[in-house]
Amino acid sequence: AQSVTQLDSQVPVFEEAPVELRCNYSSSVSVYLFWYVQYPNQGLQLLLKYLSGSTLVKGINGFEAEFNKSQTSFHLRKPSVHISDTAEYFCAVSEGRPGGFKTIFGAGTRLFVKA
Amino acid sequence: EAQVTQNPRYLITVTGKKLTVTCSQNMNHEYMSWYRQDPGLGLRQIYYSMNVEVTDKGDVPEGYKVSRKEKRNFPLILESPSPNQTSLYFCASSPLGGTGELFFGEGSRLTVL
Repeated sequence: AQSVTQLDSQVPVFEEAPVELRCNYSSSVSVYLFWYVQYPNQGLQLLLKYLSGSTLVKGINGFEAEFNKSQTSFHLRKPSVHISDTAEYFCAVSEGRPGGFKTIFGAGTRLFVKA
Repeated sequence: EAQVTQNPRYLITVTGKKLTVTCSQNMNHEYMSWYRQDPGLGLRQIYYSMNVEVTDKGDVPEGYKVSRKEKRNFPLILESPSPNQTSLYFCASSPLGGTGELFFGEGSRLTVL
């Protein structure tokens, strides 16, 4: 069965430090992988996605993620965070189903960037 | 501007008083879906629709109804709200032939007293 595990519910980090938000998934078929960001009082917006090809994908705001098929992981990284990166981040997996697709979300990781 | 619009954004109601949360998208997407977001649980799918007049249950459909009479609209109906339906609700849409990338509304925060 399809599932997504975000290994950290909260990640506090100082401004300009690097950060990694971890995501593991399970699926019996090929999947598409996504990271969404939710800023306070806003909806979710796409940060980046892995569809195929290069396992390192770059997104908006300096974030990147690496797809590791053998470890079924899709960890999100940023080399130097800003206060404005404080938000909740969701990892999501989408797999094809007859007539469409099914998307499953992780529980979310709340990133706190401190001055 | 391409967008998904939800209304109301905030609502406080009482147990048993029927309410509808509207969702409209202007991207001509076939797929639309409702999620609820609760702390520690992420987003859970309530109902989804592959096209007009085609709807199906998600993972947590109990207590909710939907309809899809027009391609752009996908209202969420709570016939008799209960306190356990207090949550943050999101509508999302996607082109059906795509990758499953979702386009979200701003969310509707519902409190049932």
